Amino acid sequence: AQSVTQPDIHITVSEGASLELRCNYSYGATPYLFWYVQSPGQGLQLLLKYFSGDTLVQGIKGFEAEFKRSQSSFNLRKPSVHWSDAAEYFCAVVAASGGSYIPTFGRGTSLIVHP
Amino acid sequence: DTEVTQTPKHLVMGMTNKKSLKCEQHMGHRAMYWYKQKAKKPPELMFVYSYEKLSINESVPSRFSPECPNSSLLNLHLHALQPEDSALYLCASSQAVQGSYTFGSGTRLTVV
Repeated sequence: AQSVTQPDIHITVSEGASLELRCNYSYGATPYLFWYVQSPGQGLQLLLKYFSGDTLVQGIKGFEAEFKRSQSSFNLRKPSVHWSDAAEYFCAVVAASGGSYIPTFGRGTSLIVHP
Repeated sequence: DTEVTQTPKHLVMGMTNKKSLKCEQHMGHRAMYWYKQKAKKPPELMFVYSYEKLSINESVPSRFSPECPNSSLLNLHLHALQPEDSALYLCASSQAVQGSYTFGSGTRLTVV
């Protein structure tokens, strides 16, 4: 079965600083990879996704992520963080399992932005 | 329309009540999902419907009963819940089961 690891429970950055949130996955083949953001009390919003092709993907709100097959990683980056980026970020994979596609979410990383 | 609409937004129910959560999408997505999310935790998959057929049931207790009346609607019927079932219940849809999800804003359920 696939698994997703987000090693950082909390990340604190200053507004305007760069950001990198880490995500590692375990799966025999290349899964479909996603990053979602969740503001308090809200549903999840898709930031970006990787299915195949160019390993650097651009998303909404100025986010990007890079797929590195050799490291089984799909880290999320932003060059300059805004206070409104404070939220919970979830990495997710969808992989084939027994004829179905099973989505798995990481435990999430809480982003705190200091003014 | 690019949204998933969930009603109600908040629900308080007693342990002997029967209630239903509703989810609607008009994006033509053929896969729909129910997730349960506790505070500070990731969403946990409960059910997956693909082309209106239940394809995944993640060993959810029978007090939760899903229903997919048509390709746009997904219900979750609740009966005899426990206080530990209090959580944010999220509905999502996707064009294909391996695709990206569009989430609703959730129903905050409190069982008293």
